[in-house]
Amino acid sequence: TQLLEQSPQFLSIQEGENLTVYCNSSSVFSSLQWYRQEPGEGPVLLVTVVTGGEVKKLKRLTFQFGDARKDSSLHITAAQPGDTGLYLCAGLTVSRQGNMLTFGGGTRLMVKP
Amino acid sequence: KAGVTQTPRYLIKTRGQQVTLSCSPISGHRSVSWYQQTPGQGLQFLFEYFSETQRNKGNFPGRFSGRQFSNSRSEMNVSTLELGDSALYLCASSPRSSIRTLRSYNEQFFGPGTRLTVL
Repeated sequence: TQLLEQSPQFLSIQEGENLTVYCNSSSVFSSLQWYRQEPGEGPVLLVTVVTGGEVKKLKRLTFQFGDARKDSSLHITAAQPGDTGLYLCAGLTVSRQGNMLTFGGGTRLMVKP
Repeated sequence: KAGVTQTPRYLIKTRGQQVTLSCSPISGHRSVSWYQQTPGQGLQFLFEYFSETQRNKGNFPGRFSGRQFSNSRSEMNVSTLELGDSALYLCASSPRSSIRTLRSYNEQFFGPGTRLTVL
């Protein structure tokens, strides 16, 4: 069974602070996706990282895939209240039956104005 | 383009009953996947359908089943409901079958979910 551990589970910070969310596994994934989910809605894809060591930036969000493709991090610079939500990482496993996404437990972020 | 729609949005059932949830994918998307989201277990994969065939299945008991119609709309059914089945059930659609994407990914577009409460 592929497991993805996310940390921290909860994070409450002030507007303007920086933060990092971690996603770790003992398994290798073909790629890793980050989603954000807001109350009453489904997750929305933010980014996919495919290559070990890859870094992608989305405005104030920086995503990194570990060299061994077992872990990833999401760094938010100067967090804003609009960043509040549940952040989920998901690892993609490829098999003959098809691909399957394994989700981490999520990090619930609250940014206070 | 309209997004993924799920009906109903909220549902209350009692133990032992069965329930059917519906998902309409984005127009042109042929792959539909179902997930269960609970506070304790997080988001867990149930199954994927493509071209009316189940392509992949997660680790859930046989009480959980699904199907896909020729217009790509999908339904999932849970029989003999248990208290632990209370969850948010999410449907996600994708343009391609996951089998056709190897090391790359196929982006999944999630619906708002159906909140099922079992009393």
